Amino acid sequence: NAGVTQTPKFRVLKTGQSMTLLCAQDMNHEYMYWYRQDPGMGLRLIHYSVGEGTTAKGEVPDGYNVSRLKKQNFLLGLESAAPSQTSVYFCASRPGLAGDRGFFGPGTRLTVL
Amino acid sequence: AQSVTQLDSQVPVFEEAPVELRCNYSSSVSVYLFWYVQYPNQGLQLLLKYLSGSTLVESINGFEAEFNKSQTSFHLRKPSVHISDTAEYFCAVSGEGQKLVFGQGTRLTINP
Repeated sequence: NAGVTQTPKFRVLKTGQSMTLLCAQDMNHEYMYWYRQDPGMGLRLIHYSVGEGTTAKGEVPDGYNVSRLKKQNFLLGLESAAPSQTSVYFCASRPGLAGDRGFFGPGTRLTVL
Repeated sequence: AQSVTQLDSQVPVFEEAPVELRCNYSSSVSVYLFWYVQYPNQGLQLLLKYLSGSTLVESINGFEAEFNKSQTSFHLRKPSVHISDTAEYFCAVSGEGQKLVFGQGTRLTINP
């Protein structure tokens, strides 16, 4: 059981480049989330999904897109990266109830120059 | 919309001293509350959670948190901290829709 995995672990982009972050979970969880962590800001929710084929906006969705074509995968895309998107990105999953705990991936450190 | 406020961004304490990390939340519905811990250069791990029942919940490593509905708080406490407790602590709330919303985090620094 790998839990929640994130690919890649590190990435450096130039302004304007695009990339996709992959989150995968092998626990058959319904809910999946993408957060960004910045110093003093805590974890801010970017987008989330409550099931295969569904996505919804979180607190800071601008500049990001997501897709959940398969239940086990949740992709986060940056179409045109900006320095303000330099951050550590965490993916999480939850089984499917509001009281369920979240299981977190190890994070992706993204730097946009 | 539900939200979480952690009142202290940093809390320095001496080893073996007690500590309290404060968390307040707002929500229009019944909530579930969580504390997560993040050790340096690692992901987040669940420390404890409140779902229902007894308002005092405990973790296996000596932390406890008390749910206070009237004050909309879920403060985290430990009677005697160790160097190994040095980490960042996040309070989170769930209840409205399927969102899991986090506070700003509190960095706990233990001095010998």
